[in-house]
Amino acid sequence: SAVISQKPSRDICQRGTSLTIQCQVDSQVTMMFWYRQQPGQSLTLIATANQGSEATYESGFVIDKFPISRPNLTFSTLTVSNMSPEDSSIYLCSVESGRGWDTEAFFGQGTRLTVV
Amino acid sequence: GIQVEQSPPDLILQEGANSTLRCNFSDSVNNLQWFHQNPWGQLINLFYIPSGTKQNGRLSATTVATERYSLLYISSSQTTDSGVYFCAYSSGNTGKLIFGQGTTLQVKP
Repeated sequence: SAVISQKPSRDICQRGTSLTIQCQVDSQVTMMFWYRQQPGQSLTLIATANQGSEATYESGFVIDKFPISRPNLTFSTLTVSNMSPEDSSIYLCSVESGRGWDTEAFFGQGTRLTVV
Repeated sequence: GIQVEQSPPDLILQEGANSTLRCNFSDSVNNLQWFHQNPWGQLINLFYIPSGTKQNGRLSATTVATERYSLLYISSSQTTDSGVYFCAYSSGNTGKLIFGQGTTLQVKP
């Protein structure tokens, strides 16, 4: 398994500002994933972060809005930029643990963001 | 595209009752997991089950990959079982999970 520490756990932010969310894993992992969960909705993948290369964004998400850093194999950050109330969501980071095809996803505690 | 459908969307049970949650998926499965999301938003891993059957206490799960569905069984439900249950799966080795819309379970005392 993998233990993931994510912070902050929650925040209330003013519109137009930016928030950086940190994700720390207790082991080295190749890929880290960032998900968004809008109120009352399911989880949607924002991007995949690989160490040493730019993140790969899913359709509907862009780097200018959600810049991601991946400085090493145990850490990543997601920034939510120029926030609006529509960005109010839970943001979660995730990693896989296992070998080969037999891998299981684990999630951080999530960051509950409210934009006012 | 790849789809994941969960049913029922909502479920209300009396404490002690049993229930079955279903997850249908549209493609061959590499990874299938069941999660419970607690009121604080944290996702708790219940089962990693791309095929076969597993049991953990009052919970068990079965995935029939050839027929593209998975079932989560909750027996003798307790109020602490309340919350949202998600299935999520991936096809291929990308690690990207696609989530169903969830089943919101309420267990009444």
